[in-house]
Amino acid sequence: DSGVTQTPKHLITATGQRVTLRCSPRSGDLSVYWYQQSLDQGLQFLIQYYNGEERAKGNILERFSAQQFPDLHSELNLSSLELGDSALYFCASSVEGTDQETQYFGPGTRLLVL
Amino acid sequence: GENVEQHPSTLSVQEGDSAVIKCTYSDSASNYFPWYKQELGKRPQLIIDIRSNVGEKKDQRIAVTLNKTAKHFSLHITETQPEDSAVYFCAANSGYSTLTFGKGTMLLVSP
Repeated sequence: DSGVTQTPKHLITATGQRVTLRCSPRSGDLSVYWYQQSLDQGLQFLIQYYNGEERAKGNILERFSAQQFPDLHSELNLSSLELGDSALYFCASSVEGTDQETQYFGPGTRLLVL
Repeated sequence: GENVEQHPSTLSVQEGDSAVIKCTYSDSASNYFPWYKQELGKRPQLIIDIRSNVGEKKDQRIAVTLNKTAKHFSLHITETQPEDSAVYFCAANSGYSTLTFGKGTMLLVSP
């Protein structure tokens, strides 16, 4: 167990809908990362937050947004869902969010868009 | 941005054999190279990492080598066991704190 928690574990929804994925980082970690894992694209970095502020942005679609709250938990919002958004979404956390820190991954949320 | 290529995509070995997975990266500024193991349906877990101030690091049956000149790093697993079967991902840091991952190698260790 990495200490990173994610809810829900599974999510099934329909095209056009909106969902929210939740992540709680390890105790003491200030930085949260979101990744999307699909079969053909591997692990794709979406976005990083550090202590409530956006720090880095990767291949995140405009339909997706995220935020980190004062208690350091983070939410990833996915809207106008398409079939291609079906994937595993991982959250990871690290202490300071610097470039040589270990990132600890949560168990993931499996999203299925029908 | 950073581009990480990983080979092979699948690797089958007999128990007790060694396994080698290779990665190349494009950004000469990258200086942190972690390896993650992901078992089916589970989260990626860090198994070893290397920073650019060293050329090799070993942890029991696992070792990683880094050639900064060639922009190449490799994972070596000796005396493989069935429980080593998983998908292995290499990564390199890019930008301030992000990681770019390779597409993964599925390792199958047959008893």
